[in-house]
Amino acid sequence: GENVEQHPSTLSVQEGDSAVIKCTYSDSASNYFPWYKQELGKGPQLIIDIRSNVGEKKDQRIAVTLNKTAKHFSLHITETQPEDSAVYFCAAGGSNAGGTSYGKLTFGQGTILTVHP
Amino acid sequence: DTEVTQTPKHLVMGMTNKKSLKCEQHMGHRAMYWYKQKAKKPPELMFVYSYEKLSINESVPSRFSPECPNSSLLNLHLHALQPEDSALYLCASSMLQGGSPLHFGNGTRLTVT
Repeated sequence: GENVEQHPSTLSVQEGDSAVIKCTYSDSASNYFPWYKQELGKGPQLIIDIRSNVGEKKDQRIAVTLNKTAKHFSLHITETQPEDSAVYFCAAGGSNAGGTSYGKLTFGQGTILTVHP
Repeated sequence: DTEVTQTPKHLVMGMTNKKSLKCEQHMGHRAMYWYKQKAKKPPELMFVYSYEKLSINESVPSRFSPECPNSSLLNLHLHALQPEDSALYLCASSMLQGGSPLHFGNGTRLTVT
């Protein structure tokens, strides 16, 4: 099955700095890669996703890059703000029905991001 | 606020109790999911429903019994749980089209005493 590794497990930055979180996956059949942000007491919220026919996607301060050859993808957050502090999860899955192979996303172990004012 | 609503937010139950978790979405999604999340861990898939039929059971113990009464509702019936079943139970939904993301609710925090 799919295996997703995520690094680092914790990341501490100063407000205004950039933050980068990296993930690798094992199954070359995976072609859908979402990133979720989970705040304390809440469920994971999708912040950006990318599919294997795209190498990079950007949404304001957030960008994701994908290297299918190397089987890794990364989340980049620029101009970090204290409200960006949360746990971030990468995930990998197939993009047949539902974009998630019927919900069979494999998640990374998560990164605790702390942005200091 | 999330478009997937879960009730209750918190639940404490004894090992002999029977309780139910409820989930509702009105986005017209035809796939619904139950995930379990332990502290400081990623969500783990339990069940998937598509068109109100169970399509995936990730070898979940029978003390967890899912039900999908209609396309908007998803229940998880709990019976004879163990303390190690204490966790955050997340419901999610998605469209059944290629590339559709999962939308999660805020979960039910379950404590088994």
